[in-house]
Amino acid sequence: EEHLVESGGGLVQPGGSLRLSCAASGFTVSSNYMSWVRQAPGKGLEWVSFLHSGGVTYYADSVKGRFSISRDNSKNILFLQMNGLRAEDTALYYCVRVGTAMITPYFYYYMDVWGKGTTVTVSS
Amino acid sequence: DIQLTQSPSFLSASIGDRVTITCRASQGISNYLAWYQQIPGRAPKLLIYAASTLHSGVPSRFSGSGSGTEFTLRISSLQPEDFATYYCQQLNSYPFTFGPGTKVDIK
Repeated sequence: EEHLVESGGGLVQPGGSLRLSCAASGFTVSSNYMSWVRQAPGKGLEWVSFLHSGGVTYYADSVKGRFSISRDNSKNILFLQMNGLRAEDTALYYCVRVGTAMITPYFYYYMDVWGKGTTVTVSS
Repeated sequence: DIQLTQSPSFLSASIGDRVTITCRASQGISNYLAWYQQIPGRAPKLLIYAASTLHSGVPSRFSGSGSGTEFTLRISSLQPEDFATYYCQQLNSYPFTFGPGTKVDIK
């Protein structure tokens, strides 16, 4: 069975940095598309970042230039390096596997495996 | 960026009711839309992708339809475990935006 377990969250001052980790089991991170999604307290879901299996990355405008998604293939772990943190980055951060389906002739993405999340609080 | 709106934002329903939630996109996204269910305190769960394809293990009372800019999630007969918040998400182009959510509560 596929599982994702996030870690690395915590309390950080504005302007600080954190690195979130996401350990995968039951599947290989490097062979899949992966993403980070966050949810501010009491709010909806916000897509943050995407890592293509080929290494291409995409980011939400709100984090572009500050956050970086990467992976360690040998350890089967996904990362989110967060720099220049702001109060508005306070949220529960979910690690997500992005599944794919071919419904001829089209190719579809969907977010099918979610971790339980790790909480990031940015406050002085 | 593509914006998604959902209606209603909140609905109150009874067990056995038929429920319909609408998601509208600010521009055409073909059928690159997914639906998720989130129970409070838990991670979201995938229900439907490609607008109408039921994810493995999801009960058949859930169905999705639509294409272009208007999409619908239907629950044919609401069950106690369906009281949750439902989100649509477009996966047509980056950023993969989510709708604001529809909370389904017990009447």
